[in-house]
Amino acid sequence: DTAVSQTPKYLVTQMGNDKSIKCEQNLGHDTMYWYKQDSKKFLKIMFSYNNKELIINETVPNRFSPKSPDKAHLNLHINSLELGDSAVYFCASSLRVSGSRDEQFFGPGTRLTVL
Amino acid sequence: QKEVEQDPGPLSVPEGAIVSLNCTYSNSAFQYFMWYRQYSRKGPELLMYTYSSGNKEDGRFTAQVDKSSKYISLFIRDSQPSDSATYLCAMSLPSGAQKLVFGQGTRLTINP
Repeated sequence: DTAVSQTPKYLVTQMGNDKSIKCEQNLGHDTMYWYKQDSKKFLKIMFSYNNKELIINETVPNRFSPKSPDKAHLNLHINSLELGDSAVYFCASSLRVSGSRDEQFFGPGTRLTVL
Repeated sequence: QKEVEQDPGPLSVPEGAIVSLNCTYSNSAFQYFMWYRQYSRKGPELLMYTYSSGNKEDGRFTAQVDKSSKYISLFIRDSQPSDSATYLCAMSLPSGAQKLVFGQGTRLTINP
């Protein structure tokens, strides 16, 4: 009965590799997000999708490509991994894109380590 | 300068103490203000939510927003060891996509 789930929980990989992180929510929400949390706990939004449509695209290297096959899933693919990509990546979801500020529910995070 | 500034701590207080956590921000257009709590190795969870200026109380927690000073606070009364976590303030604009801008988070430890 997990609300927002992410796989894998831990990911250790070499520089230059390509990896994907998957996210699924069973809350019936319309909007999903990817955040990056660095080693100093600073949490910054990367992308947001509403009903499979990209609505937020922050200044993120184009090595990062989100994909939303349906509104319950938002995956993150990262090409040519670099040392600076090491961080915890959080997926989140909320009910709708505008109007009242709906609570964002966060997943447990994926800890990515690039060696 | 970051849009939202938060003292990262760490902050360590004895059980039962009143804790005050604060954030300042630069964008006067922010209208929605939130406090998230993040336990170690977990995702953030919403603790308090305030619209515009004013106070909001929920049990031992009180959130205050002073838009004229661009300053928000979270007070925890009768602090418990289970309150030990990182507290992140977050805020967003009144319209458009729900882009939350977070502070760095303050790491809080309540000592029994």
